Amino acid sequence: EPEVTQTPSHQVTQMGQEVILRCVPISNHLYFYWYRQILGQKVEFLVSFYNNEISEKSEIFDDQFSVERPDGSNFTLKIRSTKLEDSAMYFCASSERATGGDTQYFGPGTRLTVL
Amino acid sequence: SQQGEEDPQALSIQEGENATMNCSYKTSINNLQWYRQNSGRGLVHLILIRSNEREKHSGRLRVTLDTSKKSSSLLITASRAADTASYFCATVLNYGQNFVFGPGTRLSVLP
Repeated sequence: EPEVTQTPSHQVTQMGQEVILRCVPISNHLYFYWYRQILGQKVEFLVSFYNNEISEKSEIFDDQFSVERPDGSNFTLKIRSTKLEDSAMYFCASSERATGGDTQYFGPGTRLTVL
Repeated sequence: SQQGEEDPQALSIQEGENATMNCSYKTSINNLQWYRQNSGRGLVHLILIRSNEREKHSGRLRVTLDTSKKSSSLLITASRAADTASYFCATVLNYGQNFVFGPGTRLSVLP
């Protein structure tokens, strides 16, 4: 069964450094998402992406964050100048259609630790 | 309550018993979806129920939706130790794209 994959599974970085989290969505899906989950808290929406542009973003997704689909398979989340409070699990998801009625399939997540 | 808020926050039952988790939401929805998360892992989609549906089954899972009360329930029958996980309901607001997740119910099934 097709699945969303994410790399790395765990990323440790120093405060102020830039990190890139990578995702490979399910191949025939057109909509891509990033969510994050701070330890012990709710899963929070960051951004959705369709047709090579951001379609929706939350207040969390400020200028520190950016997303890109550099080729036909990868979808990346870049965090510039990381802060301690960026430590969280970051989940990528994809769906065939916009979520008016469609299921989002989640990857296993990348655990980001900012020291 | 918040959009997509589950209760109870934690539930502990014996293997073989049924587990019922509830979700309440505040605004109109197109559908409501339930996800499971094993500790430290990703979210696994369980079931989707549309706003015009009242009940849906999938294996040992039964989901109900009451749009008049803005609530949904997830029933797991004949629970197993492997069902131990956190369960989240997720809603999409008014044709938007992003999921709003509740804080989840932590289910522990004791052997």
